[in-house]
Amino acid sequence: DTGVSQDPRHKITKRGQNVTFRCDPISEHNRLYWYRQTLGQGPEFLTYFQNEAQLEKSRLLSDRFSAERPKGSFSTLEIQRTEQGDSAMYLCASSSGPGELFFGEGSRLTVL
Amino acid sequence: AQSVAQPEDQVNVAEGNPLTVKCTYSVSGNPYLFWYVQYPNRGLQFLLKYITGDNLVKGSYGFEAEFNKSQTSFHLKKPSALVSDSALYFCAVDDSSNTGKLIFGQGTTLQVKP
Repeated sequence: DTGVSQDPRHKITKRGQNVTFRCDPISEHNRLYWYRQTLGQGPEFLTYFQNEAQLEKSRLLSDRFSAERPKGSFSTLEIQRTEQGDSAMYLCASSSGPGELFFGEGSRLTVL
Repeated sequence: AQSVAQPEDQVNVAEGNPLTVKCTYSVSGNPYLFWYVQYPNRGLQFLLKYITGDNLVKGSYGFEAEFNKSQTSFHLKKPSALVSDSALYFCAVDDSSNTGKLIFGQGTTLQVKP
């Protein structure tokens, strides 16, 4: 199954540390999205790429967050100087155009 | 601003009975509406979408949804519930820029009892 894969699935870190998540989208998809989901809430949009271009960023994405998609394939989401409020599930999704998004299983971040 | 509301935190139905999970939306322009399902420890899975055309949309696993423009609703339905349908269901709307930037509701837990 060549679905969307995310790594790591779970990261536990201490406050102030940097963390990086990786997403490998479905290979033929040119759009890639990052969402964040906290317990009891629906996913919230963070940012998206079309090929290697980052086209939109949410106001939720503070300057401690940075996302890249250097060759239009995989993407990374880095969080610097983590805070306890960053604890959440980080979801990656991809699509080939408007409409259905294919989501990965997510990367759960716990900040102690 | 675009928004989606799912008024029920949880819906309980008996297996074999019809189910409805409610969703209302607020958008400017024509809405692109979606339903996704999330099983425990699994990623969100697409169920169905409404872009244009027939108000009754059919999707995966026997689910369907009815778009009602006058009531700004997009309720998810299934004629006969299965225990395996028990999961967390999310309604979502594209923010009308057709970018895939979805605004999700807070989710409704569906519990189907045997």
